[in-house]
Amino acid sequence: TQLLEQSPQFLSIQEGENLTVYCNSSSVFSSLQWYRQEPGEGPVLLVTVVTGGEVKKLKRLTFQFGDARKDSSLHITAAQPGDTGLYLCAGGDSNYQLIWGAGTKLIIKP
Amino acid sequence: EAQVTQNPRYLITVTGKKLTVTCSQNMNHEYMSWYRQDPGLGLRQIYYSMNVEVTDKGDVPEGYKVSRKEKRNFPLILESPSPNQTSLYFCASSLGAGGPSEQFFGPGTRLTVL
Repeated sequence: TQLLEQSPQFLSIQEGENLTVYCNSSSVFSSLQWYRQEPGEGPVLLVTVVTGGEVKKLKRLTFQFGDARKDSSLHITAAQPGDTGLYLCAGGDSNYQLIWGAGTKLIIKP
Repeated sequence: EAQVTQNPRYLITVTGKKLTVTCSQNMNHEYMSWYRQDPGLGLRQIYYSMNVEVTDKGDVPEGYKVSRKEKRNFPLILESPSPNQTSLYFCASSLGAGGPSEQFFGPGTRLTVL
């Protein structure tokens, strides 16, 4: 059974700080997606990475797919209260199914 | 506006009373799925459908049924709900199966079974 472990499970920091969230597995994935979920809403896609070593930037968010396609990270620079939410990673397996991490709950305090 | 709609958004019911949660998408997506979300467990797939009349079990299908008679609709049926089915439910649709297709989620249905 493929698993995706996210860490930390919970993170509360002050506005302006930097942070990194990790998504790790012992399995290889064909793709890795990051979603953000706000209270009372469904998850919304932030980014998809498909190539080992790939780095994508979305304003202050930087996403990296590991060289071996087993792990990924999300780095936020100068976090803002609007970044608050639940961050979920999801890996695409060989059966075209998505394996989901349990999520990182992020709170940015003003 | 491209969207996935779910109804109802909130539901409180009693053990054993059959219920249906509706899901509809207007993006002509072939792939649809149902998830439940519980604290600390993330999203767990209940059932998915690759196309009309094609459905398959996900990771936690026990106690649930689905149907896909039309491309746009994918209702979730609980024939005899039990308290352990109290959860937040999401319907999702996408162009293709799994990754790297973007999953579009509905707003969620919070179900409480007493």
